[in-house]
Amino acid sequence: DAKTTQPPSMDCAEGRAANLPCNHSTISGNEYVYWYRQIHSQGPQYIIHGLKNNETNEMASLIITEDRKSSTLILPHATLRDTAVYYCIVNGRDDKIIFGKGTRLHILP
Amino acid sequence: GAGVSQSPRYKVAKRGQDVALRCDPISGHVSLFWYQQALGQGPEFLTYFQNEAQLDKSGLPSDRFFAERPEGSVSTLKIQRTQQEDSAVYLCASSLLFDRGEQYFGPGTRLTVT
Repeated sequence: DAKTTQPPSMDCAEGRAANLPCNHSTISGNEYVYWYRQIHSQGPQYIIHGLKNNETNEMASLIITEDRKSSTLILPHATLRDTAVYYCIVNGRDDKIIFGKGTRLHILP
Repeated sequence: GAGVSQSPRYKVAKRGQDVALRCDPISGHVSLFWYQQALGQGPEFLTYFQNEAQLDKSGLPSDRFFAERPEGSVSTLKIQRTQQEDSAVYLCASSLLFDRGEQYFGPGTRLTVT
């Protein structure tokens, strides 16, 4: 079973920041938080990952709480092309990744 | 550069037929993964290779499913005597080193068993 809890769906207005939450209260010390997204009819796409510190790359920012029990993926300026299912995954680097149901993000024009 | 490619993109098989699905990972990627994705669900892990060694096949649903990666690059997922419940998208992913978390996925093969 997935070790994370995400809302099933969210809406965000185009041009605004999309903030996608994820709860992972049972995360252990050596486990990372990974985010993927899957646009309709495509394979999943790796976005970002982190252990303790906040991370940023060209796609998104990842904010991890100090107790590591939750995190937020931030898409700073959402576009229609960001419409996708977003998966938050917790795993140790030697473990197989387990996708849950994810959050279906709708970007509204 | 070239990403992960899979072929065929679509496959229709009659129940009982054998099928073979091909995955070309990103050049130089050590690890290769296969997933099965049913409609409306997240991908589910099937099997994992590190170079040519199949290190984890715990997700293969039955002994009708077989995967190989004989030279440590291209991989084939074979399904024997296909059943209707095998209808799904089969995804392949690769990663550069032994980190299983940062994977790069192909577009998938949609298998329909009639």
